Amino acid sequence: AQTVTQSQPEMSVQEAETVTLSCTYDTSENNYYLFWYKQPPSRQMILVIRQEAYKQQNATENRFSVNFQKAAKSFSLKISDSQLGDTAMYFCAFMKRSGNTPLVFGKGTRLSVIA
Amino acid sequence: DSGVTQTPKHLITATGQRVTLRCSPRSGDLSVYWYQQSLDQGLQFLIQYYNGEERAKGNILERFSAQQFPDLHSELNLSSLELGDSALYFCASSSLESTDTQYFGPGTRLTVL
Repeated sequence: AQTVTQSQPEMSVQEAETVTLSCTYDTSENNYYLFWYKQPPSRQMILVIRQEAYKQQNATENRFSVNFQKAAKSFSLKISDSQLGDTAMYFCAFMKRSGNTPLVFGKGTRLSVIA
Repeated sequence: DSGVTQTPKHLITATGQRVTLRCSPRSGDLSVYWYQQSLDQGLQFLIQYYNGEERAKGNILERFSAQQFPDLHSELNLSSLELGDSALYFCASSSLESTDTQYFGPGTRLTVL
């Protein structure tokens, strides 16, 4: 079974600064996806970024980027130029790449962006 | 807006009752997943349907059941409700043809009193 661990229950960052959220996972699979989802106070689950394990290049989406270390089973999220709207719970998630399989989530990191 | 819709947004009911949560996937998506988010258990996978057929089961209680209809919408039925069933229930959908990414609906907040 796969497990996802987010070791930082809460973090804070000043507006316009950079913050990195950590995630580690455990799996015996070789082909999989990793995701970061954001859950703002509205409770909607919003996809932030996706990484395919067979791709060595780290995924980037505007101010969001990941540091994917497959051998270390580490998948951190970097948020640059933090904005007040980035305040949310962030969940790291794992999914096997076998087509339509469930997501396995970490417990989440609550990020507060401070003005 | 993810394109996934869920109704109702909020549901308040009493212990012992039965409720039905409804989900409409994104246009073209054949797969529907149900997740439960509670304070103590976090986000947990309940059940998955693909094109009308059950594909995977997670930590779903026997009191809970689901189905996916020919028009691809799905319903999650929760019966003999207990206080501990109070949670946010999410539906997500994905397309086998695309990237396997799951897009979430806005959720249904269930409160059992």
